[in-house]
Order: sequence, then C-alpha cells, then structure tokens
Amino acid sequence: KAGVTQTPRYLIKTRGQQVTLSCSPISGHRSVSWYQQTPGQGLQFLFEYFSETQRNKGNFPGRFSGRQFSNSRSEMNVSTLELGDSALYLCASSPGQGAVNQAFFGQGTRLTVV
Amino acid sequence: QKEVEQNSGPLSVPEGAIASLNCTYSDRGSQSFFWYRQYSGKSPELIMSIYSNGDKEDGRFTAQLNKASQYVSLLIRDSQPSDSATYLCAVKKGTGGSYIPTFGRGTSLIVHP
Repeated sequence: KAGVTQTPRYLIKTRGQQVTLSCSPISGHRSVSWYQQTPGQGLQFLFEYFSETQRNKGNFPGRFSGRQFSNSRSEMNVSTLELGDSALYLCASSPGQGAVNQAFFGQGTRLTVV
Repeated sequence: QKEVEQNSGPLSVPEGAIASLNCTYSDRGSQSFFWYRQYSGKSPELIMSIYSNGDKEDGRFTAQLNKASQYVSLLIRDSQPSDSATYLCAVKKGTGGSYIPTFGRGTSLIVHP
C-alpha cells in the first residue's frame, strides 16, 4: 500500500512569489492535514480537509490556503512568500476527520524562500 | 508560555536504560495526548496515544497521563541506539472531529552504546 506522497520534495522560491504544494493521501484516506515545521516554532497545525471541505484551521495568516479534490488529494498554497515561510511542510492523511491515532505523515516538502 | 512544553534536551541515556520523556500542557480542556518519534530528516510517526489518566503500555513504551497535574510522559524501557530520535508530544483540544493538535518542540533522545 503506497504511503502519503508529497511533491515536490524541495523547492526554492523568491520572496513575494507564491507556491503550491501537493499531497496524495493513502488510498482510502479521506482526511488530509497540513503542518509547518521550523526549528524555532516546531510543528504547527495549518488546516485539515475532509470531503473537500476545510474542517479545522490553525493560527496562520490568510496567505496560507488549501483545497482538497474529490479524489482526496490536497494542495496547499502560500501567496506573497516571506523569508519566515521557509520550513518543512508536512501533510498527514487519515481515514476520517480528526482520526489522529490513524494518521500517517508524508516525507514533506522543504521550502526555502530567498 | 507555550501551550505544550517539553525539555529540548538532549537526553542522553546508556543502552538498556529507561528513558523518561516529559511533557506539560496548559489547556485543562485537552482530551487526547500523543507521542510521535521523528528521526533526523524524516517525518513524524505516531508511537503512542493516551486518553485517560494512568498508564498505557505498548511493548517497550509506556505512556503516563495525569490530567490533574497536566502532565504526560513517555517511558522507553531497554533503550536501544535505534531509539535515538526527537520525541514530540502532541495534545488535541477538541473531541471527535474537532482536530486542532498542538505540538511541543520535542525532546532529543540519544541512546549511546
């Protein structure tokens, strides 16, 4: 069974640009959550999507947005990139909404903003 | 004060010893508690979850929860070098489908031969 797939693995962007990250969940999983991990702040919850609807949202500015498609694949978009957005972005999939104890993480996308 | 606090470490223990990792949280309404292990350069993986006061054992791992003291810990018995990783404590505020997890910054564990 394939795991959670995130693309791309590495990305370098310039301040002010926008970026789109992709996450393909485990087959059969309908919930996708996104996280930002930095050395200073640790792992922080961005948002969760279930059945194409955002169900929960963390404390991040509106520049961070996402969506989920009918096949449960999800994308995250960050507009007007800032240097502080440099981080590892992780997504996790689970069978149902809020099923933390059944969630699996992807390998992440390392975003560097220069 | 961060909502979930962990000592960053590193915690260094000899092979075969018990490693004790601690986590405190500030929100008394927290209901679900999780421990993740993250190897360097890898993504987190869930190793334990606990929901009620007391101990929960799974192999060499034991999670302990004390809601009155707002404290959750992870014990690793017979520590192995392969246990060397960062351990993240996570707390979920909501119930059911309300899923806003808060993570600590993690404790680095080093198990030396």
